[in-house]
Amino acid sequence: DIQLTQSPSSLSASVGDRVTITCRASQNIITYLHWYQQKAGKAPKLLIYAASRLESGVPSRFSGSGSGTDFTLTISSLQPEDFATYYCQRGYISPWTFGQGTKVEIK
Amino acid sequence: QVQLQESGPGLVKPSETLSLTCTVSGGSISTYSWTWIRQPPGKGLEWIGYMYYTGSSDYNPSLKSRVTISLDTSKNQFSLKLTSVTAADTAVYYCARPLGGTNDAFDVWGQGTMVTVSS
Repeated sequence: DIQLTQSPSSLSASVGDRVTITCRASQNIITYLHWYQQKAGKAPKLLIYAASRLESGVPSRFSGSGSGTDFTLTISSLQPEDFATYYCQRGYISPWTFGQGTKVEIK
Repeated sequence: QVQLQESGPGLVKPSETLSLTCTVSGGSISTYSWTWIRQPPGKGLEWIGYMYYTGSSDYNPSLKSRVTISLDTSKNQFSLKLTSVTAADTAVYYCARPLGGTNDAFDVWGQGTMVTVSS
């Protein structure tokens, strides 16, 4: 299977901070990489698909980049509602897999 | 706007079969693929498998011998069956649908249903 390694596993940040989360694939997945936000007790919410495409309705402070094996989710100015856990997820070759998650906490 | 709702028993005994249903409203199940994903308490997400409206399917190899996903177009529902469950199958189970034009980016999710495996 193609594995995803997400880092960091957690981070503390303040409102207004720029936050970057990385996701590395064990093989080339082109741009079949998606990002989700999950809040406690809720289903994940799609933020970014195909590495860099912003899902409809998602604020523009969220952006994604990368291709091949290295990908990044950036939150340009962290807002109070952004404190959550973020997951990357790949497609391309079955089975689809998820990163282990990054918990973004309030500093 | 398509909405998904999971239903089924919240408690299943070890070695028995877990059965869940996802009801699709606001759209037809006769398009797209339909997916199950689970999340053990306090842990990450695991893709279980999907079935296309055409009937083709794919499952996670780690579960393939125990999983069946099926579609009921007359009821606009799809189902998950997982046999021979153990405590390791305790999780929140989500049904999901991919974004149009993709097969693997999920923009529509059910709220999730907690299933506990215990005697």
